[in-house]
Amino acid sequence: AQSVAQPEDQVNVAEGNPLTVKCTYSVSGNPYLFWYVQYPNRGLQFLLKYITGDNLVKGSYGFEAEFNKSQTSFHLKKPSALVSDSALYFCAVRDIRTGANNLFFGTGTRLTVIP
Amino acid sequence: EPEVTQTPSHQVTQMGQEVILRCVPISNHLYFYWYRQILGQKVEFLVSFYNNEISEKSEIFDDQFSVERPDGSNFTLKIRSTKLEDSAMYFCASSGQNYGYTFGSGTRLTVV
Repeated sequence: AQSVAQPEDQVNVAEGNPLTVKCTYSVSGNPYLFWYVQYPNRGLQFLLKYITGDNLVKGSYGFEAEFNKSQTSFHLKKPSALVSDSALYFCAVRDIRTGANNLFFGTGTRLTVIP
Repeated sequence: EPEVTQTPSHQVTQMGQEVILRCVPISNHLYFYWYRQILGQKVEFLVSFYNNEISEKSEIFDDQFSVERPDGSNFTLKIRSTKLEDSAMYFCASSGQNYGYTFGSGTRLTVV
């Protein structure tokens, strides 16, 4: 069975500092991995995905994530945080081996960027 | 950029009433989904729909729930007899060949 873990409920970072939001996954085959962001009272906005190819994936708003197969991780990163990055971040996985198309989400990490 | 559209944005209903949540997926997408999120918590998969039938469903998706694609554009989620614990944000999503999943902005369902 597939699962996603976001070990930190809350991450605080000072504006201008680098940020990391952690995600680890468990699937029976090769994963498709995704990051979504949710601003207050809004829907889920797509940030980036890893399907295949280069392990470093670049996405929207200056975010990037690195797929690490040996550590089964897909941490979200940004070199310099903005106050406007404050939001709820979700990691999600699709297990392509099962043939199912649906995404399984982590519990979310609330990022607060402090001015 | 194409969007998934959900209506209404907010629905209040009395316990025991039936509700229908509506979604218009992206027109060339083939897979459709419903997810729910109980106030600021985890996003939970409910059901996926492909080729006019349910392809996957979670244990949350019991007999109280049903989905339908009544025409070429709409995708609906019906909750037959709502319970207080059905109060949540319900997200519709669709996906196409490039493994891009697009989510709607959600319907906030409040059962009173």
